[in-house]
Amino acid sequence: AQSVTQLDSHVSVSEGTPVLLRCNYSSSYSPSLFWYVQHPNKGLQLLLKYTSAATLVKGINGFEAEFKKSETSFHLTKPSAHMSDAAEYFCVVSDQGGSQGNLIFGKGTKLSVKP
Amino acid sequence: NAGVMQNPRHLVRRRGQEARLRCSPMKGHSHVYWYRQLPEEGLKFMVYLQKENIIDESGMPKERFSAEFPKEGPSILRIQQVVRGDSAAYFCASSPTGTGTNQPQHFGDGTRLSIL
Repeated sequence: AQSVTQLDSHVSVSEGTPVLLRCNYSSSYSPSLFWYVQHPNKGLQLLLKYTSAATLVKGINGFEAEFKKSETSFHLTKPSAHMSDAAEYFCVVSDQGGSQGNLIFGKGTKLSVKP
Repeated sequence: NAGVMQNPRHLVRRRGQEARLRCSPMKGHSHVYWYRQLPEEGLKFMVYLQKENIIDESGMPKERFSAEFPKEGPSILRIQQVVRGDSAAYFCASSPTGTGTNQPQHFGDGTRLSIL
């Protein structure tokens, strides 16, 4: 069965410093992986996706993630945090061997950015 | 160029009443997905529909919950005889026709359901 583990429920960084949000996955098949961001009382916005092409994926707002099969990881990074990055981030796996509709969400990581 | 539209944004119901949540997918999208987000948790898949068909309802509670996506009009998530535990944010997402599992889903802003 597929699953997603976000290792930190809360990450706090200072503005201008790097961001690292960690995600490990478990999947029986070749997974598709996504990172979504959720601002308070809003829906989810897609940051980036991995679908078995390049292992380093660039997304919007300066975020990127690297797929590492040997470590079953898909960590999200950004070189320099901005105040507007404060939000909740979800790592998501979609198992190509399973239902087309079934996205599996991690529990989320809340990112705080201090001035 | 509207995104996924959900209404109402907030819904308050008393125990035992019915709740109806609506979702209009993005233009050109015929696949709709419903998720539930409980406080301090990630989203949990409920149901996946295409026009007039339920494709996967493995995440739907066995009783009181139903979903439809008619040929015309929005998708409806219906909760009968609501209980306190139904209080949550309900999100709808859509994706294009004929998508595979590597196509991203586009999410609405959600409906916050509160049960008194």
